[in-house]
Amino acid sequence: AQKVTQAQTEISVVEKEDVTLDCVYETRDTTYYLFWYKQPPSGELVFLIRRNSFDEQNEISGRYSWNFQKSTSSFNFTITASQVVDSAVYFCALRPNQAGTALIFGKGTTLSVSS
Amino acid sequence: SQTIHQWPATLVQPVGSPLSLECTVEGTSNPNLYWYRQAAGRGLQLLFYSVGIGQISSEVPQNLSASRPQDRQFILSSKKLLLSDSGFYLCAWNGQGATYEQYFGPGTRLTVT
Repeated sequence: AQKVTQAQTEISVVEKEDVTLDCVYETRDTTYYLFWYKQPPSGELVFLIRRNSFDEQNEISGRYSWNFQKSTSSFNFTITASQVVDSAVYFCALRPNQAGTALIFGKGTTLSVSS
Repeated sequence: SQTIHQWPATLVQPVGSPLSLECTVEGTSNPNLYWYRQAAGRGLQLLFYSVGIGQISSEVPQNLSASRPQDRQFILSSKKLLLSDSGFYLCAWNGQGATYEQYFGPGTRLTVT
């Protein structure tokens, strides 16, 4: 079965704290794709990153970083020095390696950053 | 650049009334198109996806239907709305080639009363 689990339903931090959002996935495919999306209060999902299963390099983009570990089937997302604008629902998603298939989303983690 | 539009942005409809939500994509051709629903406080549920004109795959049996009359147009419909159809409806697309991430439209917030 293909599945994405985001065990953290809600996280609250104070500005400038670092925060890590966990994502664990299940798939039998050897080739697959992982994603993170941000959903601010406006509702539109914003694409953040895609990671291919054959590329385990971690990635950093400004205050955002992603840690992909195939051994533990995890794709965690860390925000360094969080800001109020980071408050949103964050979704992790999996795309199997099949033509025409949609993303399989986790249930999302609501991040609240207070000043 | 590619853009995706959805309308209306918000909609309040009585139970039993029909529904038509429209999604259009600009700046690309032959996209894969998707309809998702997000109930309040919940994750995203895939409703339909389409890999081409007239090709619709349904993920969840329900009183909703989808159509793709043109390459870059995707329509979500219902003949009779239920209270449980309330939610946030998102349309998404992705390219047919090596790009696999999906890009989402602004969404339609539907309230069935």
